[in-house]
Amino acid sequence: GESVGLHLPTLSVQEGDNSIINCAYSNSASDYFIWYKQESGKGPQFIIDIRSNMDKRQGQRVTVLLNKTVKHLSLQIAATQPGDSAVYFCAENPTTDSSYKLIFGSGTRLLVRP
Amino acid sequence: KAGVTQTPRYLIKTRGQQVTLSCSPISGHRSVSWYQQTPGQGLQFLFEYFSETQRNKGNFPGRFSGRQFSNSRSEMNVSTLELGDSALYLCASSLEASPNEQFFGPGTRLTVL
Repeated sequence: GESVGLHLPTLSVQEGDNSIINCAYSNSASDYFIWYKQESGKGPQFIIDIRSNMDKRQGQRVTVLLNKTVKHLSLQIAATQPGDSAVYFCAENPTTDSSYKLIFGSGTRLLVRP
Repeated sequence: KAGVTQTPRYLIKTRGQQVTLSCSPISGHRSVSWYQQTPGQGLQFLFEYFSETQRNKGNFPGRFSGRQFSNSRSEMNVSTLELGDSALYLCASSLEASPNEQFFGPGTRLTVL
């Protein structure tokens, strides 16, 4: 969407550096977690997911880490590029069946300096 | 393969009116979820449908309702609109019954005057 929050925490990184975006989730019963990227004027775009039986999952230039003990998720972006500038959301799925009821975090704005 | 489409993209209504928003999922996707996005509250889950059945509902008043058709297309309806209903309404679809990649549409921007 065009506006996702006027007071989002912002992470500013230099192009080429690695970025780490953190997220705390609320429900210890959640067993599925997703990171989304949202650019201005667009809907959220799936980046990577992880299930609770894993603590790390890697994708292309991205890694998600899950620490269930402290209910914490992080998204690591390697060699950050200008096109990575966006708002990033974590989401948890607290349902105990196969259905969806995603709870989103408040988001972090990533700014990549050229 | 076409993505999730939502119509209309923009809508202006006045308080007290009702509105219906439409979502066409990706072909073959049977799960459709709706979310409301506002600057103040962020992204909030409204409801999820799978094979024409509502499986989950978020914490929204009864003025918010939805349905899914046999072709998986979904609509949501908001009756007696309030100023606070102004938001971006997002629809997402997923292939399988189990939580998996959800693909979002571009959203419908609703403004209530």
